[in-house]
Amino acid sequence: QVRLVQSGPDVGKPGASVNVSCKASGYTFSAYYIHWVRQAPGQGLEWIGWVSPNTGGTNLAQKFQGRLIMTTDTSIDTAYMEMNGLKSDDTAVYFCARGYSGYDPVFDFWGQGTLVTISS
Amino acid sequence: QSALTQPPSASGSPGQSVTISCTGTSSDIGGSNSVSWYHHHPGKAPKLIIYEVFNRPSGVSYRFSGSKSGNTASLTVSGLQAEDEGDYYCTSYAGGNIFLFGGGTKLTVL
Repeated sequence: QVRLVQSGPDVGKPGASVNVSCKASGYTFSAYYIHWVRQAPGQGLEWIGWVSPNTGGTNLAQKFQGRLIMTTDTSIDTAYMEMNGLKSDDTAVYFCARGYSGYDPVFDFWGQGTLVTISS
Repeated sequence: QSALTQPPSASGSPGQSVTISCTGTSSDIGGSNSVSWYHHHPGKAPKLIIYEVFNRPSGVSYRFSGSKSGNTASLTVSGLQAEDEGDYYCTSYAGGNIFLFGGGTKLTVL
């Protein structure tokens, strides 16, 4: 069965970096996109960006450009999201999700979420 | 770009129907049939319930239906059941390979 398993909770200081991983299983990793979505405390879902394991191509929401990097390692079917220059309002649960493309928001399987807490 | 606009809350009694709207612009909802809806219980992963405006994934109840008119998409939940409670989010393609989510609607079954 399709599964996306994310890394555990993380704590970072303002200005630091955090790396969240998302290991896929049960399907051909390179055939689907990986999207990242977050939910800050008390807030709604926010789309962050996508990465194509097949091409390595990425696309980010404008607010994250310049401080977020998405990569994949197809040898171990794992996607990574690295965020730099952390701010307190980056505290959120971060989800990875399997997507069919970069232009249709069909996210059919999701990871369990990773809580990232930014605190001094 | 701004988030899509959803009512913050909706409610209905068991067996009733409720409709949740999601309003965008001609650059997102109005310009694309790439609109999806998700059901989310806090602390869990969101679940896809409608894609491409009105399509239901396998295993999703027929009680969920979607539609679109102009810049507004809608989700209707018929025959409300207690398990339908939770947060509902719309999302749309917004051009340039990016996506927007709505602010979310908390559905309460009275």
